[in-house]
Amino acid sequence: GAGVSQSPSNKVTEKGKDVELRCDPISGHTALYWYRQSLGQGLEFLIYFQGNSAPDKSGLPSDRFSAERTGGSVSTLTIQRTQQEDSAVYLCASSLGSGGGPGELFFGEGSRLTVL
Amino acid sequence: SQELEQSPQSLIVQEGKNLTINCTSSKTLYGLYWYKQKYGEGLIFLMMLQKGGEEKSHEKITAKLDEKKQQSSLHITASQPSHAGIYLCVYNQGGKLIFGQGTELSVKP
Repeated sequence: GAGVSQSPSNKVTEKGKDVELRCDPISGHTALYWYRQSLGQGLEFLIYFQGNSAPDKSGLPSDRFSAERTGGSVSTLTIQRTQQEDSAVYLCASSLGSGGGPGELFFGEGSRLTVL
Repeated sequence: SQELEQSPQSLIVQEGKNLTINCTSSKTLYGLYWYKQKYGEGLIFLMMLQKGGEEKSHEKITAKLDEKKQQSSLHITASQPSHAGIYLCVYNQGGKLIFGQGTELSVKP
């Protein structure tokens, strides 16, 4: 597709269940970011992938959160044993490059997660 | 680490009025992005400023980067209801995106 695609757009789950959120970046984009936005809060950095380099996982809030990026393209964010505080909109973004050379960032529409 | 502070935090203007949103950085800005977020949607790219003194315009929105002041401003001329939303300044710090807290704009018809 032309833009960053995220799925599902909406997910309601029960506390304690595992969830997987998917991000399909724009073809050819080497950088991929995951952010989340809780109600009334700003955007919180989660994890960043750049090419074949080891991802920057410094923003993951706990070991229940993990993410992978297969083949340098699609990324999956997995939340295990979900808690109510995990409820948020999870946003994915991709860009051609990173670091000091700013490139245009393209955001997906987000996956809204609600943990009951 | 670098921080971005936006002002005002929220703004209500009458349709047709001009407005300015500011983004101030705690450190030197080597470029900046402006995004708009509509409720329940993703972020929409508005503009990218790459160097001090740069000014860009798109339709009725103009953004400037004042490197010396470590500040960027976003100006909307003759606001319309379609301009309503949350405006975010974003800085790319070595791959990690730093976000301002956002400015919520409401435009009254």
